[in-house]
Amino acid sequence: DTAVSQTPKYLVTQMGNDKSIKCEQNLGHDTMYWYKQDSKKFLKIMFSYNNKELIINETVPNRFSPKSPDKAHLNLHINSLELGDSAVYFCASSQNSVEQYFGPGTRLTVT
Amino acid sequence: KQEVTQIPAALSVPEGENLVLNCSFTDSAIYNLQWFRQDPGKGLTSLLLIQSSQREQTSGRLNASLDKSSGRSTLYIAASQPGDSATYLCAVNFGNEKLTFGTGTRLTIIP
Repeated sequence: DTAVSQTPKYLVTQMGNDKSIKCEQNLGHDTMYWYKQDSKKFLKIMFSYNNKELIINETVPNRFSPKSPDKAHLNLHINSLELGDSAVYFCASSQNSVEQYFGPGTRLTVT
Repeated sequence: KQEVTQIPAALSVPEGENLVLNCSFTDSAIYNLQWFRQDPGKGLTSLLLIQSSQREQTSGRLNASLDKSSGRSTLYIAASQPGDSATYLCAVNFGNEKLTFGTGTRLTIIP
């Protein structure tokens, strides 16, 4: 059983398109996160939700909009994709901000 | 500013040797620290979590230590194997609901 899953695993799209990445966790955790890993492999937090409420919103362009329909799901919608959005996006979850568990990542390529 | 640094960026070690990976952080008021492993093109696997009140954690051939006063953590790998080759990431929770990552150390074990 996969603890944190993401779909799709790969996403190739053109500039200007709108796309979504989905994340689900079956660990019963109350907090979920989105991280971005850039071309230099540096990982940085984007958003965090606790029980469907936004608690962290780093300096991310407002083209990125997270949505949490319930505490087991955190989706990421990206409008008007740009070349610089190409990266690997990781979803993660934790309980009471203790150990974080990461999904397999979604590799987004914008052409 | 809360930052995490890992030096060196890359390390090559002959198989069978013991090795130490280093992580330093700028703020001693941490909540916890996690060591992860990332294989090329893959997600993050959590190796060890050290809570603020702990000095070390062990799992198999891995031992992680934490010295908050000096802002350092080390990951000790005993009797290294080719399968240990990966990028090792240190991440600190500074009590602000997110992980701040180092840039990682790319470890290569030479058979």
